[in-house]
Amino acid sequence: AQSVTQPDIHITVSEGASLELRCNYSYGATPYLFWYVQSPGQGLQLLLKYFSGDTLVQGIKGFEAEFKRSQSSFNLRKPSVHWSDAAEYFCAVGASRSSASKIIFGSGTRLSIRP
Amino acid sequence: NAGVTQTPKFRVLKTGQSMTLLCAQDMNHEYMYWYRQDPGMGLRLIHYSVGEGTTAKGEVPDGYNVSRLKKQNFLLGLESAAPSQTSVYFCASSPYDRAKDNEQFFGPGTRLTVL
Repeated sequence: AQSVTQPDIHITVSEGASLELRCNYSYGATPYLFWYVQSPGQGLQLLLKYFSGDTLVQGIKGFEAEFKRSQSSFNLRKPSVHWSDAAEYFCAVGASRSSASKIIFGSGTRLSIRP
Repeated sequence: NAGVTQTPKFRVLKTGQSMTLLCAQDMNHEYMYWYRQDPGMGLRLIHYSVGEGTTAKGEVPDGYNVSRLKKQNFLLGLESAAPSQTSVYFCASSPYDRAKDNEQFFGPGTRLTVL
């Protein structure tokens, strides 16, 4: 069965500092991986996704993520965070390319930005 | 395009009352989903639909029913609300195209409190 672990519940970084949010997944075949962001009081917005090909994926808002099969990880990174990046971030794994399959979400990491 | 909209935005119910949450999308998407979001648990799939007239159970379907009578609408019903159903409910939709990488588009959420 698919599962996603986000080991960090809450992270605080200073504005301008680099960021890495961790995500580990469990799935027997090639996973389909996503990162979503949720601003306070809002729905989820897709940041980036990985289905195949280049293991370094670029997303919106300057985010990127790297798929590492050997470590079963899909960590999200940003070289320099902005105050507007404060939000909750969810990693998710799907079983197939079609989103008709169930996507399993991690429990989320809340990001706070220190001025 | 309004995207995915949800009605109502907030609701307070008493135990045993019933209600229906409405989700509407104007993107002509085939697939629609209902999730609930609880603190520390990410999003969990309640029910989903792969097309008009079809529905399927997700991870946490008990206590909920759904209907997809029209392609653009996906209704979530609580027949007899319980305090354990206090949550934020998100609707999502996605297109169906085997040739493309599909993304789920989320509504803004409905915050439900059951007393």
